Amino acid sequence: EIVLTQSPATLSLSPGERATLSCRASQSVSSSLAWYQQKPGQAPRLLISDASNRATGIPARFSGSASGSDFTLTISSLEPEDFAVYYCQQRSNWPRTFIFGPGTRVDI
Amino acid sequence: EVQLLESGGGLVQPGGSLRLSCAASGITFSTYGMSWVRQAPGKGLEWVAHIYSGGSRTDYADSVKGRFTISRDNPKSTLYLQMSDLKAEDTAVYYCAKLEGHDSSTSFDSWGQGVLVTVSS
Repeated sequence: EIVLTQSPATLSLSPGERATLSCRASQSVSSSLAWYQQKPGQAPRLLISDASNRATGIPARFSGSASGSDFTLTISSLEPEDFAVYYCQQRSNWPRTFIFGPGTRVDI
Repeated sequence: EVQLLESGGGLVQPGGSLRLSCAASGITFSTYGMSWVRQAPGKGLEWVAHIYSGGSRTDYADSVKGRFTISRDNPKSTLYLQMSDLKAEDTAVYYCAKLEGHDSSTSFDSWGQGVLVTVSS
């Protein structure tokens, strides 16, 4: 069963700084990894699909990349509204499940 | 604009049952696979169940298998989650989520606002 590990658990940064979030899969998987942003009291919002494709309406400061089982979400220059929790997610064909990582909180 | 509106949450005693609904609009509902994803208070996201676009194929997390049933009514554009034998650990906000594309897609591009289920005596 695939396990997604996100690091760091918390990232403390300031507006304007670059944020680099990591997601590692426990076994070799496809590049079909998604990233979501969730703010308190809100539903998750899709940021990135298929490791590197920005979802509709997502600013260009968000980018995703992949190297084998390692995936990275980069926020090039943090805006105040970017402080939130970020989750990675994949889909497994066997067993047939969807898997979320534990999340990375980006704090001021 | 895609809208997903959950309903049916509330307080239920351990061992009880509850049915959640998710009414979809702004999409051709029958085209998309749909999932339920939950979030316990202060915790991360946990996928619960998935149903394929046609409704004939379903998948469940081990934590709910045998207790929860996902279903859909495509003409009514509505997704359901029948929950039975509820436990305290099922307490969470439950979101319905729409797959981004075809049935083999990975990501969820639309989410409801969530509905709270509290299991407590």
